Amino acid sequence: NAGVTQTPKFRILKIGQSMTLQCTQDMNHNYMYWYRQDPGMGLKLIYYSVGAGITDKGEVPNGYNVSRSTTEDFPLRLELAAPSQTSVYFCASSYTRNRGENEKLFFGSGTQLSVL
Amino acid sequence: ILNVEQSPQSLHVQEGDSTNFTCSFPSSNFYALHWYRWETAKSPEALFVMTLNGDEKKKGRISATLNTKEGYSYLYIKGSQPEDSATYLCAFRSGGSQGNLIFGKGTKLSVKP
Repeated sequence: NAGVTQTPKFRILKIGQSMTLQCTQDMNHNYMYWYRQDPGMGLKLIYYSVGAGITDKGEVPNGYNVSRSTTEDFPLRLELAAPSQTSVYFCASSYTRNRGENEKLFFGSGTQLSVL
Repeated sequence: ILNVEQSPQSLHVQEGDSTNFTCSFPSSNFYALHWYRWETAKSPEALFVMTLNGDEKKKGRISATLNTKEGYSYLYIKGSQPEDSATYLCAFRSGGSQGNLIFGKGTKLSVKP
């Protein structure tokens, strides 16, 4: 089982460049999430989606955009990269948000992004 | 602003020691508490999802308890092994099924052989 597949694993961007982080899941999960992990901090939610065609902002959405055209895919777009976006990014998915084991998150392998 | 605190930040134990760490969260409007295990160079993996006050969950040598009235959860590891070395994350949800998970900073456990 592939689970949550996230690409690329590493990327270096110059200030002002754009890129898209890809995320796909094969578990037919309705809920998908993008988090960032900064040193010494907890995972922070950037954007999330409760189903195809529906997205919403998380705690730290500025500088990012998302789309959810299919159940499987949830790409994260950085339009004008800034040094503050240097971080490790994780995509995750869950089957439900209605209490119990099925609301646990499945994470992708992460993308280490540096903006110089 | 909802805050989730984990203590200690890091812990070094010898193989065979039993250990425990704490996750503190707001006691009002509780919905769910998650524990994840995050090994270096890998992605976080779910250990437990806890929803009821007094919940106790167990997976092998790892167990967790939940007190929603006072706002804390304990994670216990019995007879630590080097392969238990990882960062253990807790995450709290409030506000019903629409609330998002708030993650703590984690407790980094190192088990020496």
